[in-house]
Amino acid sequence: GAVVSQHPSWVICKSGTSVKIECRSLDFQATTMFWYRQFPKQSLMLMATSNEGSKATYEQGVEKDKFLINHASLTLSTLTVTSAHPEDSSFYICSAQHSPSGYTFGSGTRLTVV
Amino acid sequence: QQQVKQSPQSLIVQKGGISIINCAYENTAFDYFPWYQQFPGKGPALLIAIRPDVSEKKEGRFTISFNKSAKQFSLHIMDSQPGDSATYFCAAGYSGGYQKVTFGTGTKLQVIP
Repeated sequence: GAVVSQHPSWVICKSGTSVKIECRSLDFQATTMFWYRQFPKQSLMLMATSNEGSKATYEQGVEKDKFLINHASLTLSTLTVTSAHPEDSSFYICSAQHSPSGYTFGSGTRLTVV
Repeated sequence: QQQVKQSPQSLIVQKGGISIINCAYENTAFDYFPWYQQFPGKGPALLIAIRPDVSEKKEGRFTISFNKSAKQFSLHIMDSQPGDSATYFCAAGYSGGYQKVTFGTGTKLQVIP
């Protein structure tokens, strides 16, 4: 149980375009999801907390207008990287909370902006 | 106050040996301490977790030791296997409510035959 599906697993896009990443909880409802960014050989950096039906809470230093988060249903949160640039290339990971201390991570999305 | 310090950054262990990874936290309000295992190109997966009311938790070859007074906890992997080669992250958070966890910096473990 507590399966999270993240899609796509990898994406290459041109500089200036937007990319949408989906995070779905398949067998549970997730009122809270988290989006992380991970640079090579580094830890996970929390970008934002996504709450169903309300605005996301962004961590300090994360541009809200660049990383749009939508959590329109209890099973789906999306992260849209707008006007992507090469420096946005990274590994993006979502996690969904299925209990007060239970988190399940998605398999991650490798974004490459060329 | 929210930092979780993890060491070592990398670790090489021979097959059959014991791998030990250490973490220290600052925020005494944390009451949930999970360990995650991450393979290249994959998201982290929960390995084992402990709460501060116990000093040790064992699941198979994996053991967490917890020292509340020192604000430290560690992961021990007994009889380490090549398949254990991965990056391990400790984390700290809260058991109540829906709140984020704070991750350590990660330890890349390589188990050599």
